Parts: sequence; C-alpha cells; structure tokens
Amino acid sequence: NAGVMQNPRHLVRRRGQEARLRCSPMKGHSHVYWYRQLPEEGLKFMVYLQKENIIDESGMPKERFSAEFPKEGPSILRIQQVVRGDSAAYFCASSPKGKSSKAGANVLTFGAGSRLTVL
Amino acid sequence: KNQVEQSPQSLIILEGKNCTLQCNYTVSPFSNLRWYKQDTGRGPVSLTIMTFSENTKSNGRYTATLDADTKQSSLHITASQLSDSASYICVVTGLSGGYNKLIFGAGTRLAVHP
Repeated sequence: NAGVMQNPRHLVRRRGQEARLRCSPMKGHSHVYWYRQLPEEGLKFMVYLQKENIIDESGMPKERFSAEFPKEGPSILRIQQVVRGDSAAYFCASSPKGKSSKAGANVLTFGAGSRLTVL
Repeated sequence: KNQVEQSPQSLIILEGKNCTLQCNYTVSPFSNLRWYKQDTGRGPVSLTIMTFSENTKSNGRYTATLDADTKQSSLHITASQLSDSASYICVVTGLSGGYNKLIFGAGTRLAVHP
C-alpha cells in the first residue's frame, strides 16, 4: 500500500503561471481533502471531494483555485495566475468514507505535501 | 461556531522531560478527536483517535485524554526524545451538512533540546 501520493513534491512557478498539484489517494479510499499550510501556520481546509463530486469547497478561494477528482486518475488542485501569496505547502489527505460515524471510518491519511514556491 | 484551540502555541523542553499539550473544542455534535504529529516538511501522521466514550488512550510514550463534558483533550508525552520535536495537531470531527467535517487546531510546536 503506497499511501497517499502527491506530486510534484516541489514546484516553482513565476507569477501569472499555472500550478497543478496531483494527489492519488490510498487504495480503497474514495474521499480526498486538500489543505494549505502557510509557513509557520497550521493546516487550513480548502476542499473536500468524492469521485466526480465537490462536497465542500468552503475553504477554497473564489478565484483562481479549482479542484477536481475525476472518475479515473488523481485528484488535481489547480491554481491559475499564481501570486507570491500562493507559496505554501499543499497537503492532500484521503479517507475510506466521509459520512460514517464510526471512529475509524474517516481517519485521514496525509500525503507528504507539495511545496509551491512562486517567484 | 465550531472551533479547536490548542495551547501552548509553542513549547521547549529538555530531553527526557514530560510535557502536556492542551486542546479545547466547541465542535458540536462531536464524533471523535484525534491527535496528529507533523514533522517539519512532512504530512501529519495520526497518533491517537478517541470517541465520545473513551477517556484515555495510549500509543507508546503518548497518552491522550478526553473529557467530553468539558470538551477538553490533552496529549501527554513521557520521557521526551529529540525525535518528538514536531507540531502536534488536535483535530475534532463533527457532523456538518450530512457528513463528517474535520476541524483542525493550529497546532503546538514542540522543541525537545538535548
């Protein structure tokens, strides 16, 4: 079991370019979460997705940011026209289920993160 | 408003000493609470998970407690090691909009010095 795989691990972009971050959940997990972590700060929720559905995007900036989790392939977090303030670590996590009340059902497994640097 | 507050924000202790990290929450309804450890430059790793009915749970030198009445949890680290230096994040799960929503604390940064 390879765990949650994120790539690229490091990404450098110039202002105005696009950044695409990919996340492959653990085998058997159908729920994906994206978090952003600014330097010296805690994790901030961005978006929660199931296959082909965005369940909660309340933490996602209204402009320039989008996320998808297609039927086939990894989840993608896309940032258009990046600015210096987008520089952060972006973590993806997956869980087997989102709606169960069982304690272990929504234990998140995190990836190692993608570190975006905007020059 | 669902919130998770952790204290202290940062902590420095000497190797071999014990320490206790605090987590207060206002998440309702409550499903479970877990502690994560995040090493610098890495993703968080789950240490313990506790449900409403559990008061104490241990994982090696880590012991988590939960008081669901006062909505407080603590993480006690015994005989600290240099490798314990990390951020410790309290995460509370509540039900919102028909699904489990995770509320993250800002974390406590622990530095263990030799």
